[in-house]
Amino acid sequence: QKEVEQDPGPLSVPEGAIVSLNCTYSNSAFQYFMWYRQYSRKGPELLMYTYSSGNKEDGRFTAQVDKSSKYISLFIRDSQPSDSATYLCALKNTGGFKTIFGAGTRLFVKA
Amino acid sequence: GAGVSQSPSNKVTEKGKDVELRCDPISGHTALYWYRQRLGQGLEFLIYFQGNSAPDKSGLPSDRFSAERTGESVSTLTIQRTQQEDSAVYLCASSGGLAGSTDTQYFGPGTRLTVL
Repeated sequence: QKEVEQDPGPLSVPEGAIVSLNCTYSNSAFQYFMWYRQYSRKGPELLMYTYSSGNKEDGRFTAQVDKSSKYISLFIRDSQPSDSATYLCALKNTGGFKTIFGAGTRLFVKA
Repeated sequence: GAGVSQSPSNKVTEKGKDVELRCDPISGHTALYWYRQRLGQGLEFLIYFQGNSAPDKSGLPSDRFSAERTGESVSTLTIQRTQQEDSAVYLCASSGGLAGSTDTQYFGPGTRLTVL
């Protein structure tokens, strides 16, 4: 069983839609939950991070962590064509250095 | 300031040849990571450096792969006797190396390796 599972998509939505991206994980020791965004032919960049459970909002982006279900989500409101990218979830243990990345979900937002 | 840089940006080589990929991390970052990303797939961890030492080499796929870091700065990933399955984008990232935190990784643009 992989440590983190993420649907690779692609996911295609019209401009203005609410997008939901998700990952499931198996190791309950993960405490830091991150979302990276990767544009084509670029390296990933950190979008948001959450420590332990709960929600975090930043503009049009909301990250949710449900540790009881081992399920994390990223919501994008009022999606824009510029949001078209691959979104990777990433998880890390407290005190550790190794970050485990999901496979990434390719998102296309059509104008 | 400057971000993480990698060179070359593209490398085409013939099967059986050796290649060296270079990573220049952000100045002052003690942690450095190498990942492999095959087409349409996620990031595959290869190796992690803390300073000049590599406490975690668990991701190196075979003994054809090696990496070193000098001066707590530049790192080189070497692939010997390249095979076609080595074709991928090789990404380098650096971070402050702080345990007990998200320790945000900053990625370079990657080196796209094609083995013919």
